[in-house]
Amino acid sequence: GAGVSQTPSNKVTEKGKYVELRCDPISGHTALYWYRQSLGQGPEFLIYFQGTGAADDSGLPNDRFFAVRPEGSVSTLKIQRTERGDSAVYLCASSLARPGLAGYQETQYFGPGTRLLVL
Amino acid sequence: AQKITQTQPGMFVQEKEAVTLDCTYDTSDPSYGLFWYKQPSSGEMIFLIYQGSYDQQNATEGRYSLNFQKARKSANLVISASQLGDSAMYFCAMRAGNTPLVFGKGTRLSVIA
Repeated sequence: GAGVSQTPSNKVTEKGKYVELRCDPISGHTALYWYRQSLGQGPEFLIYFQGTGAADDSGLPNDRFFAVRPEGSVSTLKIQRTERGDSAVYLCASSLARPGLAGYQETQYFGPGTRLLVL
Repeated sequence: AQKITQTQPGMFVQEKEAVTLDCTYDTSDPSYGLFWYKQPSSGEMIFLIYQGSYDQQNATEGRYSLNFQKARKSANLVISASQLGDSAMYFCAMRAGNTPLVFGKGTRLSVIA
């Protein structure tokens, strides 16, 4: 079946602009996650959705970052007033079961990422 | 706090040989899961193998096996019969309790013909 898809694959924007990054999870996966990966680092957690609600947004760096998942499937990560330090790869993942519940079924499957460059 | 440590920034292995990538973890939660991911130059994170803290046996998936030593808090990945396509970054990750998935800094594996 289809994996996690993310659009756009690349985004170049200017400092101060607004961007939206989209994630389409694996069909049937109830949990959806956003991560940010800087060069030479592992992914860092941003936010996790269970269904339509944000179950954990503790990783969002500040209030310029916001994410939604209105129908419990596709999610959009929104960044306002972008800064050069926001440049990174933004990864989305989904899992069949919510974290802490079902062992192997909480395995997260990742999309190809969106490479964001803020000039 | 949960922490993953990968002490090998880079590793080289001859094609067809086995290689071990080290991972140690730190958590006070008795229930946790350990994951290994492969990230080729294309950028996508590919799930390789999972080990639960209560699993009695070491996990295996094809050429991948996980050497799980609970008392030492280590979860090393063993790749047997290395192939050129195994060249990539490898990340160890852990999820414990209600905390998010935490990744190590990764190990870059280069397979030499």
